[in-house]
Amino acid sequence: SAVISQKPSRDICQRGTSLTIQCQVDSQVTMMFWYRQQPGQSLTLIATANQGSEATYESGFVIDKFPISRPNLTFSTLTVSNMSPEDSSIYLCSVATSGRTDTQYFGPGTRLTVL
Amino acid sequence: AQSVTQPDIHITVSEGASLELRCNYSYGATPYLFWYVQSPGQGLQLLLKYFSGDTLVQGIKGFEAEFKRSQSSFNLRKPSVHWSDAAEYFCAVGNSGGGADGLTFGKGTHLIIQP
Repeated sequence: SAVISQKPSRDICQRGTSLTIQCQVDSQVTMMFWYRQQPGQSLTLIATANQGSEATYESGFVIDKFPISRPNLTFSTLTVSNMSPEDSSIYLCSVATSGRTDTQYFGPGTRLTVL
Repeated sequence: AQSVTQPDIHITVSEGASLELRCNYSYGATPYLFWYVQSPGQGLQLLLKYFSGDTLVQGIKGFEAEFKRSQSSFNLRKPSVHWSDAAEYFCAVGNSGGGADGLTFGKGTHLIIQP
């Protein structure tokens, strides 16, 4: 399994600002995913990030609001732009090392509160 | 579109008693099915997964799940729960084993263990 770290672990931000969340993996992985978990809710996929290509966003999520970078096989960032209180959530990255049958492993999450 | 239903938002079980958490899915073909556990302040940990073959799947921490195609169910069971099993449990479905696509999660079941 992969060991995944996220920074920051939590943050409190002001409305209208942006926050960049980092996801670091201890081994090279093919696929990285970003999810959002709103308070008391389940996880919702935001986008899929492949190294060397543009991220693929799910319905309801747009690049201008959630720009993603994937510069190499061990690192990705998610930016939450122009934040509002509705963006208060836990943001999790997950990774899969290779192949369709590979398991997704999740990071510890970043707890974001927007005031 | 695929979906996952976890009918029970909360379940309370006495320590040492047996446990069954329900999961129903909607998916057009043979699904890839997963159970994850989220402990307070922690990321998601994979308990078990079903891709094909034997419909009774063994996982970590003494958990098992049974895939029943006729009922579109993938219920999680444990014969004797421990206080450390108190957590949030998520059932998920995917187009693949997780390596190529994001997962669709249920809303989760919060497990409370009574002494």
